[in-house]
Amino acid sequence: EAQVTQNPRYLITVTGKKLTVTCSQNMNHEYMSWYRQDPGLGLRQIYYSMNVEVTDKGDVPEGYKVSRKEKRNFPLILESPSPNQTSLYFCASSLSTGAYNSPLHFGNGTRLTVT
Amino acid sequence: GENVEQHPSTLSVQEGDSAVIKCTYSDSASNYFPWYKQELGKRPQLIIDIRSNVGEKKDQRIAVTLNKTAKHFSLHITETQPEDSAVYFCAASLSGGGADGLTFGKGTHLIIQP
Repeated sequence: EAQVTQNPRYLITVTGKKLTVTCSQNMNHEYMSWYRQDPGLGLRQIYYSMNVEVTDKGDVPEGYKVSRKEKRNFPLILESPSPNQTSLYFCASSLSTGAYNSPLHFGNGTRLTVT
Repeated sequence: GENVEQHPSTLSVQEGDSAVIKCTYSDSASNYFPWYKQELGKRPQLIIDIRSNVGEKKDQRIAVTLNKTAKHFSLHITETQPEDSAVYFCAASLSGGGADGLTFGKGTHLIIQP
């Protein structure tokens, strides 16, 4: 089944403890992206990747890191999480950048709580 | 960069009535406008999209209209049903159909009253 898989679905951690949220897609998509969703603020892009070894900042990149060593994986790293990073995170992918009929496919989300 | 405004933030309609959600965008070069539906506790999913060379697109009970001159686009849902209750997001992009560069609106919580 074609899908975007995020893990974990739920995560509770403490301030300053490094964590990684994994994202994997099995559709051979070139484009991958991370969003955070907060009440009243909608979906805001954190980082995105046009292809392997190519990553770029979105609208709210502070406090986050990403890597794209393989086409299928795009982990989100929080080196020193803070309470303001408590949020619902979505990974998403699409076939290619700028391509006609190349919609965004979202993962199931990761609810992160930082205490 | 692009800025997308979405209204209303909450919309309550009687089952069977129509619902309209409106979005405006700032960059006249934007050329791709998708709509996503997010049911409670689930991921956003694409329900319909429109490109700048088209003024209207329909898919059963949902339709999207685009006014490039005014830089606004709308989602229309007719004969609303309980399963239409969800949060709807509009988005705009410069990429002509690809997902890169999508800027989302803040979302509309649609409530269908029985």
